[in-house]
Order: sequence, then structure tokens, then C-alpha cells
Amino acid sequence: DAGVTQSPTHLIKTRGQQVTLRCSPKSGHDTVSWYQQALGQGPQFIFQYYEEEERQRGNFPDRFSGHQFPNYSSELNVNALLLGDSALYLCASSFDESSYEQYFGPGTRLTVT
Amino acid sequence: AQKITQTQPGMFVQEKEAVTLDCTYDTSDQSYGLFWYKQPSSGEMIFLIYQGSYDEQNATEGRYSLNFQKARKSANLVISASQLGDSAMYFCAMREGVNFNKFYFGSGTKLNVKP
Repeated sequence: DAGVTQSPTHLIKTRGQQVTLRCSPKSGHDTVSWYQQALGQGPQFIFQYYEEEERQRGNFPDRFSGHQFPNYSSELNVNALLLGDSALYLCASSFDESSYEQYFGPGTRLTVT
Repeated sequence: AQKITQTQPGMFVQEKEAVTLDCTYDTSDQSYGLFWYKQPSSGEMIFLIYQGSYDEQNATEGRYSLNFQKARKSANLVISASQLGDSAMYFCAMREGVNFNKFYFGSGTKLNVKP
């Protein structure tokens, strides 16, 4: 039973560029949430997707957008990258949008230079 | 105001001893959930324990227990019989809101277990 997978593992981008991160949820899960974890801090909630819709959003600008596909996988897109976007991006999946338990993927380490 | 506050940036504990990691939370919701996660240096976030706001008994999972004091809005994690493999970052988190889809993490506590 595959857990949550994320790709790529590491990524280096330049300021102003755009990036897409990908996440496949745990088998049987239909809800995906994305988090940004800056170095030395706790994760910050970006948004949650359920039934291909954004259900809830944290305090992040519109440069951060997402998508969920019919197979429940998800993408996180960040436009006009800033140095401050450098972080570990974590994806978590859950059985449904109200399920309390989330399973996290290993994360994508994004470095913006 | 911070939704989750962890006041201990770092903690040391001797192997085989118990340790308590502090967490306080802020919410006006009646229904919410409290969590603890472990994050080793490899980066993955590992779920440890969950406490629902209506649960009367403190949650326990093996060597982990959650000391839930609702009136004080605290949800401390107790790790009994610490092991070297327990050395990691520990995050307290809370879910609230309709469908529990607002999720907040604290800033974490770095636990070091000494042999």
C-alpha cells in the first residue's frame, strides 16, 4: 500500500520563475492538503482540495494555486517566485475532508535563488 | 493571537526517562481536534496521537499520551521511557472549523534524548 508520494524531491528555481509540485495521495484517500514549512518553523497550511475543488485556504497570496485531478492527485503551482518561497512543501492526504488523520508525504524542498 | 503555542524550542531528556512537551491552543470553536506529530531530520511528518475536543479520556498510543486540560486549553505530549530514536522535532497541531478543514501547527520543540 503506497503512502503519499511527492515529486520532485528537490528543486532549484530562480526568482520570478514558476514551479509545479506534484502529490499522489495514499490509496483510498480523496482529500489533499498542502503546507509550506520554512526552515526552523512549523508547517503553514496553504489549501485543501476535495472533489477537485479548493475547500479551504490559508493566508497565502494568489501566486499559490492548485489543482486536484479526478484520480485525487494534486498539483501546487507557485508563480513569480520570491526568495521567501524557499521551503519544504508538504502534501498530506486524508480519507475525506472531515477525517481527522492526515498522512504526510516526504516533501519537496524548493530553493529559490 | 497564535493558534498553537509551543514554548520549549529545545528539550533534553535522559534515555529511559519520561518527558513532557508543552502545547497550548486558542480557539473559540466547541469542536476541534488536537494532534502531535514527530518530524525526524529526514523531514517526513509522522502522526503520533489525536485528541478530540469532546473526548473525556486522555488519548494514549503506546509510549505517547496526551494530557488534555480543556479549561486551560493545553494539550501536552508525554513520552514515557524515552529512546534515542525519539530525538526529533515535535509539532503540536489543531484542526477546527466546518469540516475540520482549518489546520494550524505550532513552531515545534526539538527533543534530544541523551544516552
